[in-house]
Amino acid sequence: GAVVSQHPSWVICKSGTSVKIECRSLDFQATTMFWYRQFPKQSLMLMATSNEGSKATYEQGVEKDKFLINHASLTLSTLTVTSAHPEDSSFYICSAIGLAGAEETQYFGPGTRLLVL
Amino acid sequence: DAKTTQPPSMDCAEGRAANLPCNHSTISGNEYVYWYRQIHSQGPQYIIHGLKNNETNEMASLIITEDRKSSTLILPHATLRDTAVYYCIVSKAAGNKLTFGGGTRVLVKP
Repeated sequence: GAVVSQHPSWVICKSGTSVKIECRSLDFQATTMFWYRQFPKQSLMLMATSNEGSKATYEQGVEKDKFLINHASLTLSTLTVTSAHPEDSSFYICSAIGLAGAEETQYFGPGTRLLVL
Repeated sequence: DAKTTQPPSMDCAEGRAANLPCNHSTISGNEYVYWYRQIHSQGPQYIIHGLKNNETNEMASLIITEDRKSSTLILPHATLRDTAVYYCIVSKAAGNKLTFGGGTRVLVKP
């Protein structure tokens, strides 16, 4: 299957700082990537849809000025958590559309664990 | 996208087949059934998907009822590494956003 990577795998930062998370499709091109967030003992919640070369589409309740998404190439999307606060501590996961046999499907990255102190 | 219902948890014995049910009674004709699993502290892993026909790959088999209102994921020989939360998701296409429910927490016991 297609491989999606994320960097960093974990990050600890101070409250008020900004953190950038990268999502890469390693062996395929992805015009669409998705960003999810998962709090402890909860399921994944979609934050936004990232489209190469255009603005991201955010889910209701997700602040677009706080969670900046840039999808500048067909293999890279970045999520920047601006002015992070402890309540932003979470597991952030991206996904990209790749091929499973002859059909497209979503492949997920390994996730980035963010801890804001 | 149609909503799915899965049992919250189930245990199975190592080496035995694990049968994971999923109800999706409001599925529409152009919606696929996707299965993912999430091992602790990792991103979800794609397992299999299908539209109408039963599907099999190296990981699992997917059995979809004729009326498409339910499906079963079969792990033929469960191992301890199959312990995970398994999500059944219905979506029109892979390019659509996926809505994750609570999933089924599967514990494989020796």
